[in-house]
Amino acid sequence: DIQVTQSPSTLSASVGDRVTITCRASQDIDRWLAWYQQKPGKAPKLLIYKASNLESGVPSRFSGSGSGTDFTLTISSLQPDDFATYYCQLYDDFSRTFGQGTKVEMK
Amino acid sequence: QVQLQQWGAGLLKPSETLSLTCSVSGGSLSGYYWSWIRQSPGKGLEWIGDINHRGNINFNPSLTSRVTMSIDTSKDQFSLRLSSVTAADTAVFYCARGRGCSGGSCYPRAYDIWGQGTVVTVSS
Repeated sequence: DIQVTQSPSTLSASVGDRVTITCRASQDIDRWLAWYQQKPGKAPKLLIYKASNLESGVPSRFSGSGSGTDFTLTISSLQPDDFATYYCQLYDDFSRTFGQGTKVEMK
Repeated sequence: QVQLQQWGAGLLKPSETLSLTCSVSGGSLSGYYWSWIRQSPGKGLEWIGDINHRGNINFNPSLTSRVTMSIDTSKDQFSLRLSSVTAADTAVFYCARGRGCSGGSCYPRAYDIWGQGTVVTVSS
């Protein structure tokens, strides 16, 4: 099975900071990676699909990059609403594996 | 727009069968695979399985023996049953829209629409 490993597990940041979260796959997954945001008591919300495509309605301060095994989610200027937990997910023809999550908390 | 509304029993005893249903509104079951995903503190987000409108099913190999999925196209609903539950099955369960299908072939899609989640607790 292909594993996906996120880092860091926790990130402390301030409003206005540039934030970067990484996801590494154990094998080449092309660009079959998504990023989700989850707030307490809510379902995950899709932010980015196919590594770098912004889901409709998602603010442009969110961006994704990468291909193969290494991927990045970037928040260009952290806003108060962005404090949450973020997950990456591999979703190719054979796997639907989530990363362990990165909690973005207030510094 | 498409919305998912899910329901089912939230408190089970060990060895009982979990049963959840998800209803699709604002759209059709056709053209997609519909998934069940659970989230527990110990295992994070875990894909359980998915089903399309033709009843084609894919399961997480670690849960195959205990999982049953079904679909009712007349009601635009799909369901999950997980048998012989234990405390390890305590989790929040979500339904979600996943893989797409068109012209006889299917392709990967991220989960763009989710149900609200159902908290399931297994305790004696």
